[in-house]
Amino acid sequence: DTEVTQTPKHLVMGMTNKKSLKCEQHMGHRAMYWYKQKAKKPPELMFVYSYEKLSINESVPSRFSPECPNSSLLNLHLHALQPEDSALYLCASSQDYNSNQPQHFGDGTRLSIL
Amino acid sequence: SQQGEEDPQALSIQEGENATMNCSYKTSINNLQWYRQNSGRGLVHLILIRSNEREKHSGRLRVTLDTSKKSSSLLITASRAADTASYFCATDAADTGRRALTFGSGTRLQVQP
Repeated sequence: DTEVTQTPKHLVMGMTNKKSLKCEQHMGHRAMYWYKQKAKKPPELMFVYSYEKLSINESVPSRFSPECPNSSLLNLHLHALQPEDSALYLCASSQDYNSNQPQHFGDGTRLSIL
Repeated sequence: SQQGEEDPQALSIQEGENATMNCSYKTSINNLQWYRQNSGRGLVHLILIRSNEREKHSGRLRVTLDTSKKSSSLLITASRAADTASYFCATDAADTGRRALTFGSGTRLQVQP
């Protein structure tokens, strides 16, 4: 069992749909992350939130919109995605936004764009 | 560009053998972490080694770090079928002050029972 919960586990959507990915942690962590992972590739950082404020946006297209409503929740809003956006989207958290902290990952949402 | 590159890309061994994976990175670091990812799952943190440390152990895991060569290795001793997974190193970037982790390309380990 992972301590970071992501929903849904799988999502299939058309290019004109709007959907949201959700991530929740109750470890009291103050840093949360979104990663994108293509098959047989490493995770690529998309966004970092620290104390509910956006700290890093890795030049992600605006069709991905992150939101951190409170310290336990992280959302990723999706709109007008492209087929190349099909991937595993991983959420992670750490105690603080610092590279000396281990990150705890959810099991991801597998997204398919038709 | 990726901070870390790992070799081998894939490794197949028999149960009971040792597995060694190597990670090379390009810039100076403060910390290096190793993660495991089972198929279809999220990543699991294994071990963190700081730039002023040369070796660290955790159970059957041994990690070394050579900052002069900008490289690290992960040794899994007495491997088990359950160790079958992808293994990634991840580093920060001390020269730019970047605290976010960049993951290496990964090694896919297959342990045959």
